[in-house]
Amino acid sequence: NAGVMQNPRHLVRRRGQEARLRCSPMKGHSHVYWYRQLPEEGLKFMVYLQKENIIDESGMPKERFSAEFPKEGPSILRIQQVVRGDSAAYFCASSPDRTGNTGELFFGEGSRLTVL
Amino acid sequence: SQQGEEDPQALSIQEGENATMNCSYKTSINNLQWYRQNSGRGLVHLILIRSNEREKHSGRLRVTLDTSKKSSSLLITASRAADTASYFCARSDSSYKLIFGSGTRLLVRP
Repeated sequence: NAGVMQNPRHLVRRRGQEARLRCSPMKGHSHVYWYRQLPEEGLKFMVYLQKENIIDESGMPKERFSAEFPKEGPSILRIQQVVRGDSAAYFCASSPDRTGNTGELFFGEGSRLTVL
Repeated sequence: SQQGEEDPQALSIQEGENATMNCSYKTSINNLQWYRQNSGRGLVHLILIRSNEREKHSGRLRVTLDTSKKSSSLLITASRAADTASYFCARSDSSYKLIFGSGTRLLVRP
């Protein structure tokens, strides 16, 4: 079953370390979205990528956060010099086309980052 | 805030009862979607309703959309304990982003 695969599922980092979250979209999907969810809250859009292109990163903090979706391999969300406020669940979703056209996003199970 | 508002924030009902969740938004939409999230899991798409549709059914789910009031509702009929989850509405404005609401936490008591 080639669903959206995220790893690691759980990640613990100390303040100042780096966190790398990986996402492999569903087979045939070329659009990847990253969302962040704080406990008891909804999902907040971070970034939208296509292969080798960042389409919209308006929801991503300007500093310490970066995302990529290379021609080969998974999409990576990278958080440098993590702080306690970065603790959250990070969800990746994919679609075969832009959301406005197809609608549905397919989500992974999330990566839960804890910063000590 | 760009996010929609959902109410109630939490809902507790008895198995077999119906559950109704509401979602309001502020801007025009292309479509509105509902997702379900079990505790500690990812989101699962339930149903999509387009801006020119007023009502849609899928199994025990019924979604309505009132674009004049900028609101939508999700009705789950004959609820089951397995329906316990958080439910989110998400609006698409024909761009590439889905904007999610804050969610309704549903508890169905056996």
